Amino acid sequence: GAVVSQHPSWVICKSGTSVKIECRSLDFQATTMFWYRQFPKQSLMLMATSNEGSKATYEQGVEKDKFLINHASLTLSTLTVTSAHPEDSSFYICSAIRGVNTEAFFGQGTRLTVV
Amino acid sequence: DQQVKQNSPSLSVQEGRISILNCDYTNSMFDYFLWYKKYPAEGPTFLISISSIKDKNEDGRFTVFLNKSAKHLSLHIVPSQPGDSAVYFCAASENFGNEKLTFGTGTRLTIIP
Repeated sequence: GAVVSQHPSWVICKSGTSVKIECRSLDFQATTMFWYRQFPKQSLMLMATSNEGSKATYEQGVEKDKFLINHASLTLSTLTVTSAHPEDSSFYICSAIRGVNTEAFFGQGTRLTVV
Repeated sequence: DQQVKQNSPSLSVQEGRISILNCDYTNSMFDYFLWYKKYPAEGPTFLISISSIKDKNEDGRFTVFLNKSAKHLSLHIVPSQPGDSAVYFCAASENFGNEKLTFGTGTRLTIIP
């Protein structure tokens, strides 16, 4: 299967700082990338859909000014958690697809801890 | 509102026996269902899917059954192998595709040698 790499795998940051998470499709061009968040004992929740070269579409309840998504190329999307707070501590995971109705490939996820 | 539910957080099955993982959904607009397998420190990997026009899809040891009237699907693994030990997520979408997926909370399957 195709490879999606997410970096970093884990990060600890101080409250009030910003953290950037990268999602790369290593062996294919991703027309669309998705960002999910998973709190303990809960399901993966879609945060936003990101298409290359256009603004991300955010799900209801997700603050677009707090979770900045940039999809500058067909192989890279970044999620920046701005002014992080402890309640933002979660597992963030991205996925990428080659095109409409194609299989989604997931990154390994990033564990964010805000202290 | 949890639209996709996996009510069993964990399941233990003897090696060689059948593993049955269950998933229920509430959104009648869902028309495509997927199962993902996840090992620790890795992202979910696609296992098998089924569209709402079918009631069964089989791929090797894995079979997914869909009961639309009950809004229920299940994943059968037979025979179960130790390498099947992982967390299994059920997911659903509204557009016969892999775009906006709604996930269940996962079931941790442990295969006992």
